[in-house]
Amino acid sequence: GQQVMQIPQYQHVQEGEDFTTYCNSSTTLSNIQWYKQRPGGHPVFLIQLVKSGEVKKQKRLTFQFGEAKKNSSLHITATQTTDVGTYFCAGPGGANNLFFGTGTRLTVIP
Amino acid sequence: DSGVTQTPKHLITATGQRVTLRCSPRSGDLSVYWYQQSLDQGLQFLIHYYNGEERAKGNILERFSAQQFPDLHSELNLSSLELGDSALYFCASSAGQGWQPQHFGDGTRLSIL
Repeated sequence: GQQVMQIPQYQHVQEGEDFTTYCNSSTTLSNIQWYKQRPGGHPVFLIQLVKSGEVKKQKRLTFQFGEAKKNSSLHITATQTTDVGTYFCAGPGGANNLFFGTGTRLTVIP
Repeated sequence: DSGVTQTPKHLITATGQRVTLRCSPRSGDLSVYWYQQSLDQGLQFLIHYYNGEERAKGNILERFSAQQFPDLHSELNLSSLELGDSALYFCASSAGQGWQPQHFGDGTRLSIL
């Protein structure tokens, strides 16, 4: 079945350091979504990637979709304490639903 | 504020009981999705409704059922509750009938004692 794994599971960084989370799928994805969930909060949609090799930026966040459309990454430059949370990738599962990855929990140390 | 309203915020009940979780989607959104988030399972898709009709079903137990009403609000019914049903239940909505939820509610935290 559909599997979307994220690494690392946890990441602690010093404020100002960069952070990257990787998402790997066992199957080719037609597209991929990224969400952020703050501690105690709900998932917030960040972006959707559709094209092979696509790169999108949102301020300090850079999202990439692999050439083979089986992996994706989210890179945050110069982390801030407001970046704390769990970052999920999500891709289409079977039967028209969204399959969430395992998530990477980011802690930023001031 | 996502515009998605879920009630109640917290629910504590006992095994074997039945509860109903309610969701009002963001104004103008026709799709409602339900997700279960537990510590060891992450975010699991349960079910998706679009304009009153079921569009997709995920890992939803037979003890669980849902519906979307003409006014577009949705209810998730959980019956014969077990300890393992303790989780955060999120409702999400989107304008279209695709399977990508855009806006999540704050969730209902269900605790089974």
